[in-house]
Amino acid sequence: GEDVEQSLFLSVREGDSSVINCTYTDSSSTYLYWYKQEPGAGLQLLTYIFSNMDMKQDQRLTVLLNKKDKHLSLRIADTQTGDSAIYFCAGGSTLGRLYFGRGTQLTVWP
Amino acid sequence: DTGVSQDPRHKITKRGQNVTFRCDPISEHNRLYWYRQTLGQGPEFLTYFQNEAQLEKSRLLSDRFSAERPKGSFSTLEIQRTEQGDSAMYLCASSPGLANEQFFGPGTRLTVL
Repeated sequence: GEDVEQSLFLSVREGDSSVINCTYTDSSSTYLYWYKQEPGAGLQLLTYIFSNMDMKQDQRLTVLLNKKDKHLSLRIADTQTGDSAIYFCAGGSTLGRLYFGRGTQLTVWP
Repeated sequence: DTGVSQDPRHKITKRGQNVTFRCDPISEHNRLYWYRQTLGQGPEFLTYFQNEAQLEKSRLLSDRFSAERPKGSFSTLEIQRTEQGDSAMYLCASSPGLANEQFFGPGTRLTVL
């Protein structure tokens, strides 16, 4: 079955880089996604990567994908207090449901 | 375009009552998804539509739940005879297809007393 695992908590100091990790079991996932959720809000799509890519960079965000190990990471450069939120990793194909992890609570200390 | 909207944002109901939620997707997005999220968990898939056709339903969607998208635009999710275990955030998302990137609304928080 489809399963996505993430560590639950990460704390970093403002200005440092944050790296949030995720492992997934479904090798048929065509796309892998990162979402951000702030308290009481819906999910904001941050970025996604196609499964045949190794890396994608989008401003302060860098996504790395190791398809062999089924490992995905999100690096946030120059982390700010406004980046404090829950970050969800998700996998899916070109059609249908996404499978989400439990989320990583990122806390940024000033 | 203002994104995906959901109504109401909050709903408090008594056990046994029926509730209905509405989702308005981003215009021209032909796919619409419903998820449920409980505290400390990621969203769990409930059902999705391509245009007006309901293509998949999760086993989580008991016979007390029904969803419609009558004209391929907005969608409704109805829960009959609510139970305390139905308390959750109900999220709607829409997608233009392509990379199946899904854009979420703010959610409807349901509390069943």
